[in-house]
Amino acid sequence: EVQLVQSGTEVKKPGESLKISCKSSGYNFATYWIGWVRQMPGKGLEWMGIIYPGDSDTRYSPSFQGQVIISADKSVNTAFLQWSSLKASDTAMYYCMRRGTVGELDYWGQGTLVTVSS
Amino acid sequence: EIVLTQSPGTLSLSPGERATLSCRASQTVPSNYLAWFQQKPGQAPKLLIYGASTRATGIPDRFSGSGSGTDFTLTISRMEPEDFAVYYCHQWGGSPRTFGQGTKVEIK
Repeated sequence: EVQLVQSGTEVKKPGESLKISCKSSGYNFATYWIGWVRQMPGKGLEWMGIIYPGDSDTRYSPSFQGQVIISADKSVNTAFLQWSSLKASDTAMYYCMRRGTVGELDYWGQGTLVTVSS
Repeated sequence: EIVLTQSPGTLSLSPGERATLSCRASQTVPSNYLAWFQQKPGQAPKLLIYGASTRATGIPDRFSGSGSGTDFTLTISRMEPEDFAVYYCHQWGGSPRTFGQGTKVEIK
């Protein structure tokens, strides 16, 4: 059974760094792209970027390029999303998901809620 | 960037009624790489339809997708109580991937 399990809720202050995770199981992690989506409170879905764990090829949406770093560690079947200096506007739910064989986003993690507040 | 515009913003229906949701793209979606997701409160989105018309694994056949080019439709033939949710369309034919703003289907 394919599963993506994300790390837990985070409460941070502006300016702090953060790295959240998405651990995959039930399939060959290295051969499927993993993407990230942001959902701000009460809002819709925003595409952030995607990584191929096999060679760490990473593609960012222009809106998020330079704002976050997406990475992956094949040895632990885990993808990561990180910030070096959080802002209040980073407060959101963040989802990871697997890209299926024709590009569809077929399996999703449960989401990680990030709250940034002074 | 391909902008997806969903209509209506909110759809009020009774159980048993038919739901028709629209997703219009600002330019042709290459290869009809268009998907529909359902999101319930407090849950992650769930893939319903991909490739414009292919049901994802385990999705009931009351859900169907149609369309091509710039105009796509999600139809729910008979609304069940568990179908009241927010629905998003999503395209991955153009870069970057984009989502529509969502249609909320509420109980009338």
